[in-house]
Amino acid sequence: DAGVTQSPTHLIKTRGQQVTLRCSPKSGHDTVSWYQQALGQGPQFIFQYYEEEERQRGNFPDRFSGHQFPNYSSELNVNALLLGDSALYLCASSGYPVSSTNEKLFFGSGTQLSVL
Amino acid sequence: DAKTTQPPSMDCAEGRAANLPCNHSTISGNEYVYWYRQIHSQGPQYIIHGLKNNETNEMASLIITEDRKSSTLILPHATLRDTAVYYCIVKNQGGKLIFGQGTELSVKP
Repeated sequence: DAGVTQSPTHLIKTRGQQVTLRCSPKSGHDTVSWYQQALGQGPQFIFQYYEEEERQRGNFPDRFSGHQFPNYSSELNVNALLLGDSALYLCASSGYPVSSTNEKLFFGSGTQLSVL
Repeated sequence: DAKTTQPPSMDCAEGRAANLPCNHSTISGNEYVYWYRQIHSQGPQYIIHGLKNNETNEMASLIITEDRKSSTLILPHATLRDTAVYYCIVKNQGGKLIFGQGTELSVKP
């Protein structure tokens, strides 16, 4: 049973460029969340997708957008990259509807984005 | 979501129990306590969660005080592979998982 898979594992971009990160959830999961983790910090919640719609959003600007496909996979898009966007981007999946037992998040290993 | 307070770092001898404390004095009645850990260069891993009662699974035990204002994660026989950052999080059902700074646990031979 494949867990959460993310691609690519590493990425280097320059300021002003746009980037797309991809995530396939764990088998049987239909909800995807994205997190940004700066060096030495805990992960910060970006947004969550369910039924191809953004359901919750953290304190991130509109430059961060996402998409969920009918097969539950998801993309994170970041426009007009800034140096401060350099971070590990984590995808996590879970089941829905929400209950105490299916709220466990399963995380991928992340995409390390470096903005030069 | 309530905030949590954890010590920034702890050491534990291999084979001994690791007891990681967490304070969450502003927790609401419908908020659960979750624990995740993150081993270097990997995504966070779910460990355990609970509401009121103590919980145990194959990885750890979670002890929640009667007033629910604090909890302790117990790794009964720590190994070198348990070296990681441990995050204590309180959230209600459907709420966002908000990570703090966590506790960096070092298990030493």
